[in-house]
Amino acid sequence: DADVTQTPRNRITKTGKRIMLECSQTKGHDRMYWYRQDPGLGLRLIYYSFDVKDINKGEISDGYSVSRQAQAKFSLSLESAIPNQTALYFCATSNGLNEQFFGPGTRLTVL
Amino acid sequence: KQEVTQIPAALSVPEGENLVLNCSFTDSAIYNLQWFRQDPGKGLTSLLLIQSSQREQTSGRLNASLDKSSGRSTLYIAASQPGDSATYLCAVVQGAQKLVFGQGTRLTINP
Repeated sequence: DADVTQTPRNRITKTGKRIMLECSQTKGHDRMYWYRQDPGLGLRLIYYSFDVKDINKGEISDGYSVSRQAQAKFSLSLESAIPNQTALYFCATSNGLNEQFFGPGTRLTVL
Repeated sequence: KQEVTQIPAALSVPEGENLVLNCSFTDSAIYNLQWFRQDPGKGLTSLLLIQSSQREQTSGRLNASLDKSSGRSTLYIAASQPGDSATYLCAVVQGAQKLVFGQGTRLTINP
């Protein structure tokens, strides 16, 4: 079984809709992250969390929000999706050595 | 602001060759450097993690080196195989355990 899972794996939605992407991990790591990947722009950090009570903005947090429901769960929400949020979204966790482990990704298309 | 650059952007070599992928970063104050592999449309697989106090790490046919003072890392792949075809990403960890990624090198190994 995968250590970091993401649901859904693919999602097509319309402009203005609210979308939630979910991430679960069985690695027992406290630190979790959300990234987006765009062609030509690489991976960019959206939000990160070091424990259940800790939420921090990354470099591109505008238009996004997150919820850390438990140590193992970290959700990313788009309150009102727009077309330029079309991207591949990744969840990741990190261990005490700051080594990061990524989920399989969610491909989101906003029409 | 940390910037990570990977050269070349794409590389195509015949099977069996040894090759080197390059990664450079502008700020030497890093905690560690991590190399990843990404197959098309898929997640990132961690290949090697080099702590800031280390000079190199090895895993099978892969060897990664780190020279913090010059802001450089290399990933050496020995005896390349078609299955090594993928995009290789390097990322550095700085304060708050956030990764800054390079744009990646797209590697093609020709049978």
